[in-house]
Amino acid sequence: NAGVTQTPKFRVLKTGQSMTLLCAQDMNHEYMYWYRQDPGMGLRLIHYSVGEGTTAKGEVPDGYNVSRLKKQNFLLGLESAAPSQTSVYFCASSSGTGPPYEQYFGPGTRLTVT
Amino acid sequence: GQQLNQSPQSMFIQEGEDVSMNCTSSSIFNTWLWYKQDPGEGPVLLIALYKAGELTSNGRLTAQFGITRKDSFLNISASIPSDVGIYFCAGLNMDTGRRALTFGSGTRLQVQP
Repeated sequence: NAGVTQTPKFRVLKTGQSMTLLCAQDMNHEYMYWYRQDPGMGLRLIHYSVGEGTTAKGEVPDGYNVSRLKKQNFLLGLESAAPSQTSVYFCASSSGTGPPYEQYFGPGTRLTVT
Repeated sequence: GQQLNQSPQSMFIQEGEDVSMNCTSSSIFNTWLWYKQDPGEGPVLLIALYKAGELTSNGRLTAQFGITRKDSFLNISASIPSDVGIYFCAGLNMDTGRRALTFGSGTRLQVQP
């Protein structure tokens, strides 16, 4: 039981390049989330999904797209990377019913855009 | 949007000391969660609180859900070097329907052996 996994762990992009971050969970959770964490700040919600085939905007969605084609996977895409998107990205999942409402986090992807 | 004020921002203590940190919100939450983040890792859940006034312990950690539902605190007793890390509070408002957490900005804890 791996929990929440993220790939890649590190990535460096040039401005204007695109990439996709992959999140996978093996807990059969309905809800999945993408957050970004910047120095001295808490985590901010980018996009989330309440089930397979659904996505919705969070607090800071601009410049990102997501897809949830399979229940266990949640992809975060950057179509044209900008230096302001340099950050650590965390994926999380939760059961979506309950309580409990706890969210479980992956280890993070450190992205640098030059 | 909702705001969570977490304090203190950082603490430097001696091993064996007790630690207290708290979060206050501008609005009501239904659930309070406390997470710890080690360097280079994702946040790990420490304690979850679901009822106003609830006091919950997990080993040396104790957390309380404030009676007004707008605040929570976390205490760590008899700190040890492995307590080093960043502690985040997070609140959940079920009314939004998205089960999304609002995070505090974190308390960075350093423990001197």
